[in-house]
Amino acid sequence: AQSVTQPDIHITVSEGASLELRCNYSYGATPYLFWYVQSPGQGLQLLLKYFSGDTLVQGIKGFEAEFKRSQSSFNLRKPSVHWSDAAEYFCAVGATNRDDKIIFGKGTRLHILP
Amino acid sequence: NAGVMQNPRHLVRRRGQEARLRCSPMKGHSHVYWYRQLPEEGLKFMVYLQKENIIDESGMPKERFSAEFPKEGPSILRIQQVVRGDSAAYFCASSLDGSNEQFFGPGTRLTVL
Repeated sequence: AQSVTQPDIHITVSEGASLELRCNYSYGATPYLFWYVQSPGQGLQLLLKYFSGDTLVQGIKGFEAEFKRSQSSFNLRKPSVHWSDAAEYFCAVGATNRDDKIIFGKGTRLHILP
Repeated sequence: NAGVMQNPRHLVRRRGQEARLRCSPMKGHSHVYWYRQLPEEGLKFMVYLQKENIIDESGMPKERFSAEFPKEGPSILRIQQVVRGDSAAYFCASSLDGSNEQFFGPGTRLTVL
């Protein structure tokens, strides 16, 4: 069965520091992978997605993620965080078939220290 | 070029009442998905609809919940006889062609008193 694991429920980093949020997935075939961000009381905004091709994916707001098939991982990174990056981040996996749902991880809440 | 719209944004119901949540997909999108987010949880898929058809309702509770996406008008998620455990944020997403490129609305936060 498809599943997504985000092992860190909360992460705290200082403003200007680098960030890596972990995501592991379980899926029988090549998945579609996503990272979404959710600010408090808001909907989800797509940061980036991986469908195929280059395994290092660039997204909005300076984020990037790397697909590592051997590790079943799709970790999100940012070289220098800003206070406005404080939010909840969700990793998600979808099937390569059409007409299929997206499975979300439970999220990682990012806190930024001034 | 409006995105996915949901209304109401906040809905308060007493136990036993009905809740109706509306979702207008992005212009040109004919595929709609509903997800539920419980406190401290990720989003859980509920149902996937195309115009006038339910494609996948594997995430819908067996009782009290229903969804429709009529030929005209928004998609509706209906919860009958709400209970406290239905309190959650309900998100709608739409896609152009059923691919995984889904665009999310701002959500409806349902509170059951």
